[in-house]
Amino acid sequence: QVDLVESGGGVAQPGRSLRLSCAASGFTFSTYAMHWVRQAPGKGLEWVAVISYDGSNKYYAASVKGRFTISRDNSKNTLSLQMNSLRTEDTAVYYCSRGFSFQSPGEYFDYWGPGTLVTVSS
Amino acid sequence: DIQMTQFPSAMSASVGDRVTITCRASQGVNNFLAWFQQKPGKAPKRLIYAASSLQSGVPSRFSGSGSGTEFTLTISSLQLEDFATYYCLQHSSFPFTFGGGTKVEIK
Repeated sequence: QVDLVESGGGVAQPGRSLRLSCAASGFTFSTYAMHWVRQAPGKGLEWVAVISYDGSNKYYAASVKGRFTISRDNSKNTLSLQMNSLRTEDTAVYYCSRGFSFQSPGEYFDYWGPGTLVTVSS
Repeated sequence: DIQMTQFPSAMSASVGDRVTITCRASQGVNNFLAWFQQKPGKAPKRLIYAASSLQSGVPSRFSGSGSGTEFTLTISSLQLEDFATYYCLQHSSFPFTFGGGTKVEIK
């Protein structure tokens, strides 16, 4: 069965860095794009970033562009989000989610991890 | 960027009611539109993809319709377990954008 588990959340001061990870299992990770989506406390969902199946293409929300970097290691079935220059408004639960696959075009955002909480506070 | 306007933002309904939620895109997204249900403290759950395709395992009382710029999620007969917040998502172009959400509460 498909499983996604985020880790790396915690408390960070403004301006500092944090690195999130998402461990994937139960599917052929290397054939799927992967996304990060976040949700600030009491707020709606915000799409953050996506990386293509092979890591060659990456797109970001304007709110994180230039500060966050999405990456993946297909040999370890792991997705990462390097978050630099953190701001208080980055406080949120961060979810990883499975994206598009050419082999299974209907399977996107169909699996999500439970999320990891990032709190940016002085 | 494509803006997704979702309405209503909140509603009260009773078990058995027919519920309709709408998402309007600021420009056409073809059928690259999905609907999600989220309960407190949980990750979102995909209900509908490609605007009208029902996710496997999701009850048939959920349905999606629309194309282009206007989309609708309908719950034909609201059940107790359907009280939650619902979101639409356009994935036609980057950045992907969610609607603001609709909280369905018990009347």
